[in-house]
Amino acid sequence: EAGVAQSPRYKIIEKRQSVAFWCNPISGHATLYWYQQILGQGPKLLIQFQNNGVVDDSQLPKDRFSAERLKGVDSTLKIQPAKLEDSAVYLCASSPAQSLHFGNGTRLTVT
Amino acid sequence: AQSVAQPEDQVNVAEGNPLTVKCTYSVSGNPYLFWYVQYPNRGLQFLLKYITGDNLVKGSYGFEAEFNKSQTSFHLKKPSALVSDSALYFCAVRDGVNQGGKLIFGQGTELSVKP
Repeated sequence: EAGVAQSPRYKIIEKRQSVAFWCNPISGHATLYWYQQILGQGPKLLIQFQNNGVVDDSQLPKDRFSAERLKGVDSTLKIQPAKLEDSAVYLCASSPAQSLHFGNGTRLTVT
Repeated sequence: AQSVAQPEDQVNVAEGNPLTVKCTYSVSGNPYLFWYVQYPNRGLQFLLKYITGDNLVKGSYGFEAEFNKSQTSFHLKKPSALVSDSALYFCAVRDGVNQGGKLIFGQGTELSVKP
């Protein structure tokens, strides 16, 4: 089966600019997650979708981060405006049950 | 609140020797426990999981992990390490009471296997 697809792989922006990441989960996976992985740390959940509804966004900085999964398939994560501390790898994962399947991530560098 | 601790930032092992990567957890209900591996510039790859049943779980690439409820541990092991096992390893836990709940990751342990 095709894996979780993410784009772009790399992005460099200046602080205060906006950026968007895209994720296409594995077909049939109802649950989709966005994780933030800062260098030297484990992934931290930003938001979890079940189909097109939000299950958990308690750690999403809602003043600057937003995410949507309008048709219950693809998802986008947006940051506006970006800060230096947003430099990280943004991982998308999907799940049919207990195990998560991860994409290769988008490495964001904010200068 | 659930949490995961990986007490070692780095583990160094000689090729052919056994390896152990440690993990302890805290959840309010029954734990669902996972190990993932991350190679440079890649996403996380699933290695194995414990949901219920036998405390010794076997996974991909010859890895196994032992669930110890009394010590709240889920250490990752391999009898004979390979240089290609060198990577970043993450332990993760989900509270089994909320099966659709979020997966909490440890901070990761870098495994280095030398020839």
